[in-house]
Amino acid sequence: DIQMTQSPSTLSASVGDRVTITCRASQSISSWLAWYQQKPGKAPKLLIYKASSLQGGVPSRFSGSGSGTEFTLTISGLQPDDFATYYCQQYNSLWTFGQGTKVEIK
Amino acid sequence: QVQLVESGGGVVQPGKSLRLSCTASGFTLGTYAIHWVRQAPGKGLEWVSIISYDGSNKYYADSVKGRFTISRDNSKNTLYLQMNSLRPEDTAVYYCARVGQQLVFYYGMDVWGQGTTVTVSS
Repeated sequence: DIQMTQSPSTLSASVGDRVTITCRASQSISSWLAWYQQKPGKAPKLLIYKASSLQGGVPSRFSGSGSGTEFTLTISGLQPDDFATYYCQQYNSLWTFGQGTKVEIK
Repeated sequence: QVQLVESGGGVVQPGKSLRLSCTASGFTLGTYAIHWVRQAPGKGLEWVSIISYDGSNKYYADSVKGRFTISRDNSKNTLYLQMNSLRPEDTAVYYCARVGQQLVFYYGMDVWGQGTTVTVSS
């Protein structure tokens, strides 16, 4: 099974900051990676698919990069609506989520 | 409006069964694979199962294999998750989620339901 490890688990940031979350796969997953945002009590929302493709309707301050085993989600200019938990998910071999990264207000 | 709506959650004793439903509206369910994903209280997301658009292929997480069965009735725009031999560790919010491209498995999950809560407790 492919394991996904996100870092950090928690991130404190201020509005306007550039934020980067890292996701590492236990084996190569090519570019078969998605990123989701989840707010408390709500369903997750797809942000990025195929490692770097922005889902329709998602603000351009969100971007994804990487391939193989290392991936990043970057938020350029954090907005108040972006404080949430973010998950990566691989879909190269079955489906596995990372443990999540909570972005909180500094 | 494209949406998925889950139902069927509740409180059940360990060892018992429960069937969840996921009803689609605003799109043709029969051309999309659908996942079940769960989230235990205060925990992260866990993938549970997927069924192909036509029901011919199904996959399960090891944690539910042999106990849960995914199925679909495209004529009713509805997907099911039959959960047998339930355990306390199955307690979670269960979401159904659409694969974001027609006829394929491997894509992000672009439409999610609001979730239905399953509690396994004596």
